[in-house]
Amino acid sequence: DAKTTQPNSMESNEEEPVHLPCNHSTISGTDYIHWYRQLPSQGPEYVIHGLTSNVNNRMASLAIAEDRKSSTLILHRATLRDAAVYYCILPEMYSGGGADGLTFGKGTHLIIQP
Amino acid sequence: DVKVTQSSRYLVKRTGEKVFLECVQDMDHENMFWYRQDPGLGLRLIYFSYDVKMKEKGDIPEGYSVSREKKERFSLILESASTNQTSMYLCASSLQGQDIFYNEQFFGPGTRLTVL
Repeated sequence: DAKTTQPNSMESNEEEPVHLPCNHSTISGTDYIHWYRQLPSQGPEYVIHGLTSNVNNRMASLAIAEDRKSSTLILHRATLRDAAVYYCILPEMYSGGGADGLTFGKGTHLIIQP
Repeated sequence: DVKVTQSSRYLVKRTGEKVFLECVQDMDHENMFWYRQDPGLGLRLIYFSYDVKMKEKGDIPEGYSVSREKKERFSLILESASTNQTSMYLCASSLQGQDIFYNEQFFGPGTRLTVL
């Protein structure tokens, strides 16, 4: 997977918006940007993905820079249940051989204060 | 509610034992995956399958094998467990799409395996 860079941790207050940044300066033209999160003691959970345009779903919004070298996951109104590690991933197209699948880096540990 | 279930949340085995980890999904997904997650190393793909009886190696297949006899079930087998296979094992599934890794993957809760 192309490399992504995220802050190790971020802190926010409950009911406030949260903007989680991700840098992916080596992204190729066909790379999708995926976000997953992992709550404590659970498996990862898909959040959102996009290619070029900004995307919205019931969980979050994804804002993609015009040059696609960075993106921001937006939680519009954080709750305590949003406390998790958030991963920004650029899955590689499968081309045979030993595949990497979804390569999760260290992600951003999001702390929500009541 | 869509679901991926794994046979055990916690498992303790001895070195040399044969270990079976079972994963079942109820979403009629074509693709299924096995990952392990270790602190500092993130998620690493062991094996995946895009159809019944089909399997493909991931990044770290050594010491593991898999079986997919039915569409909904994907088993991970540790032929002779070793202490370096102590880890969190995560199963996932996804719909067939333009590329096997592009579609949303649904993960199970994980099995924490300890090999003594």
